[in-house]
Amino acid sequence: GEDVEQSLFLSVREGDSSVINCTYTDSSSTYLYWYKQEPGAGLQLLTYIFSNMDMKQDQRLTVLLNKKDKHLSLRIADTQTGDSAIYFCAESMGGSARQLTFGSGTQLTVLP
Amino acid sequence: GAVVSQHPSWVICKSGTSVKIECRSLDFQATTMFWYRQFPKQSLMLMATSNEGSKATYEQGVEKDKFLINHASLTLSTLTVTSAHPEDSSFYICSASSVSRLYNEQFFGPGTRLTVL
Repeated sequence: GEDVEQSLFLSVREGDSSVINCTYTDSSSTYLYWYKQEPGAGLQLLTYIFSNMDMKQDQRLTVLLNKKDKHLSLRIADTQTGDSAIYFCAESMGGSARQLTFGSGTQLTVLP
Repeated sequence: GAVVSQHPSWVICKSGTSVKIECRSLDFQATTMFWYRQFPKQSLMLMATSNEGSKATYEQGVEKDKFLINHASLTLSTLTVTSAHPEDSSFYICSASSVSRLYNEQFFGPGTRLTVL
């Protein structure tokens, strides 16, 4: 079955880089996503990566995918206090299913 | 990106009453809508998937008679929690997707906080 795991907490100092890790078990995943959830709010898609890619960079965000190890990471450069939130990785099988399986979420706390 | 709204944003009700939550895609036609439930400090759990004009597909363990889903149009899906009990208190989030999207993106609503007294 599908299983997506993340570490629960991460604290970094403002200006440092944050790296949030995620492992998944289903090798047939087509797309992998990173979502951000601020307190009391819905989810905001930050970025996604197609399973045949190794890396994707978008401004301060860098996504690395190691398909062999089923490991996904999100690096946030120059982390700011506004980046404090819960970050969820998610996988999708693609096709018509369009269902997402979410990880447990990583609470990122940015310290001044 | 596309915008999805939910109404109400929060609701408090008495045990035994029914509550309806609306999910609307404001600027695109959502062929598929998803309903999630999120407990405090936990991940999102998919409750059901609904396609416009057809019956919703419920995940294992979700009572379809308790959580009624209606996807009557390409821009509106509703979730009705019938005979709500305190254990139904949770954060309910909907998302919408369209077959025209190439990478299966789901656009999420802001969520509805349900508190059952």
